[in-house]
Amino acid sequence: EVLLVESGGGLVQPGGSLRLSCAASAFSFSVYEMNWVRQAPGKGLEWISYISSSGITIYYANSVKGRFTISRDNAKNSLYLQMNSLRAEDTAVYYCARAPGYSRNSFDFWGQGTLVTVSS
Amino acid sequence: DIQMTQSPSSLSASVGDRVTITCRASQSISNYLNWYQQKPGKAPKLLIYGASSLQSEVPSRFSGSGSGTDFTLTISSMQPEDFATYYCQQSYTTPYTFGQGTKLEIK
Repeated sequence: EVLLVESGGGLVQPGGSLRLSCAASAFSFSVYEMNWVRQAPGKGLEWISYISSSGITIYYANSVKGRFTISRDNAKNSLYLQMNSLRAEDTAVYYCARAPGYSRNSFDFWGQGTLVTVSS
Repeated sequence: DIQMTQSPSSLSASVGDRVTITCRASQSISNYLNWYQQKPGKAPKLLIYGASSLQSEVPSRFSGSGSGTDFTLTISSMQPEDFATYYCQQSYTTPYTFGQGTKLEIK
């Protein structure tokens, strides 16, 4: 069974940093494009970043560009999100999501999410 | 950025009802439109991709249609497990924007 497990969330002060990880299993991670999507408490879904299977092509939402960095380690079947200069508005559940090859950037499998709270 | 607008924002329905949710894009997105279901405290689940293709293991009472700017998600006969929030998402171009969501509640 395809599994995505996020970790690394927690409470951080404004201006601080956090690194999220997403461990993938039961599929060929290295051939799939991956994304991060977040959801603020009680709010809708917001796509924030994409990375191609090779890691060469990367996109960001304007809301995180310049502050967040997506990366992956195909040898470790892992996806990462380095978050710097965190703001209160970054408080959300962060999901990693797989993009299936048969559909351009729909998200067919999601992790359970990890909560990031930015507060003093 | 492409804006995705869903209607209605909330809807009360009964078991067995036929329900339709609409999603409008601020510009043409061809058929790069996906639908998700989300239950409280859970990750979203992909229902429909490419506007009308049913994701594997999703019940056939769910269907999608549309192209260009106007899309619909239809549930042919509401079941108790279908009461949830539904989101559309365009995957035509980044940023991959979502609609604001439609909450289906029990009447």
